[in-house]
Amino acid sequence: RKEVEQDPGPFNVPEGATVAFNCTYSNSASQSFFWYRQDCRKEPKLLMSVYSSGNEDGRFTAQLNRASQYISLLIRDSKLSDSATYLCVVNRFSGNTPLVFGKGTRLSVIA
Amino acid sequence: DAGVTQSPTHLIKTRGQQVTLRCSPISGHKSVSWYQQVLGQGPQFIFQYYEKEERGRGNFPDRFSARQFPNYSSELNVNALLLGDSALYLCASRDGTGNEKLFFGSGTQLSVL
Repeated sequence: RKEVEQDPGPFNVPEGATVAFNCTYSNSASQSFFWYRQDCRKEPKLLMSVYSSGNEDGRFTAQLNRASQYISLLIRDSKLSDSATYLCVVNRFSGNTPLVFGKGTRLSVIA
Repeated sequence: DAGVTQSPTHLIKTRGQQVTLRCSPISGHKSVSWYQQVLGQGPQFIFQYYEKEERGRGNFPDRFSARQFPNYSSELNVNALLLGDSALYLCASRDGTGNEKLFFGSGTQLSVL
């Protein structure tokens, strides 16, 4: 079993739709959680950190359920510019230690 | 301020050859990590260096090696290239103070023929 598993995708949604991505992680001791965004042929960039209390950044909402070892990302009112691959990322420890990336879920927002 | 810079951007090699990839972190960042991203997969951790010392190594064969220089730049070396080494090689830096945010360079696309 992979350490971080994501919905296989791809997700093809119309503009304005709400889309949710799910992710599970296998190491219950994992400390920190993130969503990164990667545009085609570009480097990954941090979208947002994920906290147990849940957090929101504009149209994006991230949730963490430590008991279920489950992370989610909700995108409301999808824009064409949201088309990208979304990577679920886990840090087994905290601080300056390696990050573990999921395979990524590709989103295409269609006009 | 310049971000993480990597060179070269693209590289074509043949099986059995050796390759050296270079990375300069963001100014002030002391921690550099290398990741391999095969098409259709997420980045996979190869090495992490902090203050010129190896701080972590992923599940890669000994053909892969790296080092960090006094100015915190880094090189990744891969010997005896295999077709399966074809991938995007990403370098990322952090300030090393505990801030977990990784800043990635735009990568080196390596093709092994």
